[in-house]
Amino acid sequence: DTAVSQTPKYLVTQMGNDKSIKCEQNLGHDTMYWYKQDSKKFLKIMFSYNNKELIINETVPNRFSPKSPDKAHLNLHINSLELGDSAVYFCASSPGPYSNQPQHFGDGTRLSIL
Amino acid sequence: RKEVEQDPGPFNVPEGATVAFNCTYSNSASQSFFWYRQDCRKEPKLLMSVYSSGNEDGRFTAQLNRASQYISLLIRDSKLSDSATYLCVVNIGGGGADGLTFGKGTHLIIQP
Repeated sequence: DTAVSQTPKYLVTQMGNDKSIKCEQNLGHDTMYWYKQDSKKFLKIMFSYNNKELIINETVPNRFSPKSPDKAHLNLHINSLELGDSAVYFCASSPGPYSNQPQHFGDGTRLSIL
Repeated sequence: RKEVEQDPGPFNVPEGATVAFNCTYSNSASQSFFWYRQDCRKEPKLLMSVYSSGNEDGRFTAQLNRASQYISLLIRDSKLSDSATYLCVVNIGGGGADGLTFGKGTHLIIQP
């Protein structure tokens, strides 16, 4: 069983569209994250939720809206997609919100904006 | 100054050799340190946590130097399967609810 699973794995869409990426973890973790890895391979945190509550919101355009219906799920909705949004988006989870706990990553969603 | 800096490489190393990477971090309040490994077009996977006293896991040894604010990773008897990008990861926030700050990674190529 996949511990952290994301769907879809690939997403190709046109500029201006709205899309969502889903993430689910079956590890029983309390904390989940979204990261963006750009074309230069730089991995940067976007959001973090602990037990459905937002705890980190980095400088991300408000076109990006995370939603956590329960602690096992953290979805990412993106409005009005732009060319610069093309990247790989990774979901991750950890047992709790403390950063001495390693994170487990999903296998990524490759978003390409045409 | 970047928060976490690594030499991007690539490091081309013959199989069986020993290779070492360093990473420096800018925030002296950083508390937690890790090495992750990322294969091409794959997700990052935890290789090992880094403890103040240094720690070893098989062929891999990690060291932390808080005074100089750097972390090292040593790989002994390198295997072809060690070819990957190695990400130095730091908790910049110094504890509490925070995400991880990643270096850009060091690309390692083990050659037969």
